[in-house]
Amino acid sequence: DAKTTQPPSMDCAEGRAANLPCNHSTISGNEYVYWYRQIHSQGPQYIIHGLKNNETNEMASLIITEDRKSSTLILPHATLRDTAVYYCIVRDYQAGTALIFGKGTTLSVSS
Amino acid sequence: GAVVSQHPSRVICKSGTSVKIECRSLDFQATTMFWYRQFPKQSLMLMATSNEGSKATYEQGVEKDKFLINHASLTLSTLTVTSAHPEDSSFYICSARPRTGVNSPLHFGNGTRLTVT
Repeated sequence: DAKTTQPPSMDCAEGRAANLPCNHSTISGNEYVYWYRQIHSQGPQYIIHGLKNNETNEMASLIITEDRKSSTLILPHATLRDTAVYYCIVRDYQAGTALIFGKGTTLSVSS
Repeated sequence: GAVVSQHPSRVICKSGTSVKIECRSLDFQATTMFWYRQFPKQSLMLMATSNEGSKATYEQGVEKDKFLINHASLTLSTLTVTSAHPEDSSFYICSARPRTGVNSPLHFGNGTRLTVT
């Protein structure tokens, strides 16, 4: 699976949009981009995933560049409860394998 | 949405004893479940892949005789930490992939905090 690079930490003011970047320059054609988050002492929570088109759900939006080498997770109106570690993971759909977690981005939302 | 339940959420045991952790998919069938562990301030580390009806596949460096995995049904996988030692104290997390769709997102349990005294 391709490797991802994320900034170790980011800050965001409550109510503002949080834009979390992820680089995956070695992504291959059959790999999806998945985003999860982990709030302290809990299991990871699925947020969103996509292949090449932008995706939106009730939690967030996922913007994938045309060359698929990077993506951005957008939390449109961050709240204090969005403080967590956010993981960007690429995964080969053919393998049906486990997610391999990197270090992620620690997002701190403050009032 | 798909729910994965883990039990117990916390367990304290004495060194040398064994502890069993259960992982259940509550509203879907999972042919494959994954076990992770997480040490403080670190990311999740994959321990093993559990396939229903067959032997688990362990990651390099994970002792299969120490971490026994059983996946006897499409909704239940168990991890038994045998002869636990203090260094086995960690946060153990399972995840499950719905049977339908290899691109379906994996769903995670809320983890089990194991403390070995």
